[in-house]
Amino acid sequence: KAGVTQTPRYLIKTRGQQVTLSCSPISGHRSVSWYQQTPGQGLQFLFEYFSETQRNKGNFPGRFSGRQFSNSRSEMNVSTLELGDSALYLCASSLVGTGVNTEAFFGQGTRLTVV
Amino acid sequence: KQEVTQIPAALSVPEGENLVLNCSFTDSAIYNLQWFRQDPGKGLTSLLLIQSSQREQTSGRLNASLDKSSGRSTLYIAASQPGDSATYLCAVEGGSYIPTFGRGTSLIVHP
Repeated sequence: KAGVTQTPRYLIKTRGQQVTLSCSPISGHRSVSWYQQTPGQGLQFLFEYFSETQRNKGNFPGRFSGRQFSNSRSEMNVSTLELGDSALYLCASSLVGTGVNTEAFFGQGTRLTVV
Repeated sequence: KQEVTQIPAALSVPEGENLVLNCSFTDSAIYNLQWFRQDPGKGLTSLLLIQSSQREQTSGRLNASLDKSSGRSTLYIAASQPGDSATYLCAVEGGSYIPTFGRGTSLIVHP
């Protein structure tokens, strides 16, 4: 079966712009989580969506937002980009989400560079 | 606040060695611990998931143990191969249901 698909794979944006990243989970999975990975901070949890509702949120500013559609596909938006937003953004899908001992499957990530 | 530490940060070994990677966490009230592998510039691949009620999990040459009371987990890799070269991350989930990741152990297995 198809894995988790993230688009685009690479993105270059200018400071102040906004960006939208997309994640298509494995068929049947209802939970999508987003992560930011940087050399300085490592892998950090952004938020989790389950059945179109945000269920958990990490410690990131309001410039980072997301949504989930009825087909479980999710988008993440970052507004007013800063240089420090340059990172690998990963999404993970699972059957029912975090905290219930289910395995998470990750996409290949979107490499965002802010110049 | 949960903190996860992985030791060593980097490891370079010859092929065939048995390896132990360590993961420690500060808050023992966890639901599960998961070990992942990440290849450069790629996403994560789940290796083993240990639920809080379990002590260990095994998959092929991999064995992971969990000691909640001491806040530790180890990933044992038997008979390492060059294809095992990658970064290994552990992650714990606690009461907040927000996973916390360690910084990883970068492993190089040379022929």
